[in-house]
Amino acid sequence: GAVVSQHPSRVICKSGTSVKIECRSLDFQATTMFWYRQFPKQSLMLMATSNEGSKATYEQGVEKDKFLINHASLTLSTLTVTSAHPEDSSFYICSARDRFGQYYEQYFGPGTRLTVT
Amino acid sequence: GNSVTQMEGPVTLSEEAFLTINCTYTATGYPSLFWYVQYPGEGLQLLLKATKADDKGSNKGFEATYRKETTSFHLEKGSVQVSDSAVYFCALIVISGNTGKLIFGQGTTLQVKP
Repeated sequence: GAVVSQHPSRVICKSGTSVKIECRSLDFQATTMFWYRQFPKQSLMLMATSNEGSKATYEQGVEKDKFLINHASLTLSTLTVTSAHPEDSSFYICSARDRFGQYYEQYFGPGTRLTVT
Repeated sequence: GNSVTQMEGPVTLSEEAFLTINCTYTATGYPSLFWYVQYPGEGLQLLLKATKADDKGSNKGFEATYRKETTSFHLEKGSVQVSDSAVYFCALIVISGNTGKLIFGQGTTLQVKP
């Protein structure tokens, strides 16, 4: 089956530093990837939609200068949290849509736990 | 707007009990409906789907029927197992042009005890 990996699975950083999270589709090509944020006991909140070779589309209320998304290839998207603060601590999940699959077929990564101290 | 509401958890059941997790939605247009499952330490996996009214999605003993009249998509299983312990998310997509975004409910944690 389609597999999506995320790296790292956990990261702890100091306030003011930047952190990069990678999302890779391992056995399929993904023209579209999605980045979600999940708070404890809450739903997944879509942050942005990432399209290969073009700028990401951010959801309302998400700071594009703070959450930098790059989708430079058909198998890799990255999310960089710049100048991280404790309120950015969260669980970040990516998903990828198979370019040859159905519109609803998104494959999810296992998530990255970010803790900002 | 589009939204999904699930029953709050956690839901705790004994093995072989009957499971129902309620899900209702509001949507503009004609959504497709989904149930995703998240096992501990893993990513979300599509459990089942229904793309139009009265469709029944089924997989691994789980079922859900797309009820347009009640805007519901309740998840059921006749006999749960310990291995079904996970977080379950109800979700919808409304397609606009050539894009569609998943909108999730808040998730329901299921704990099955032996």
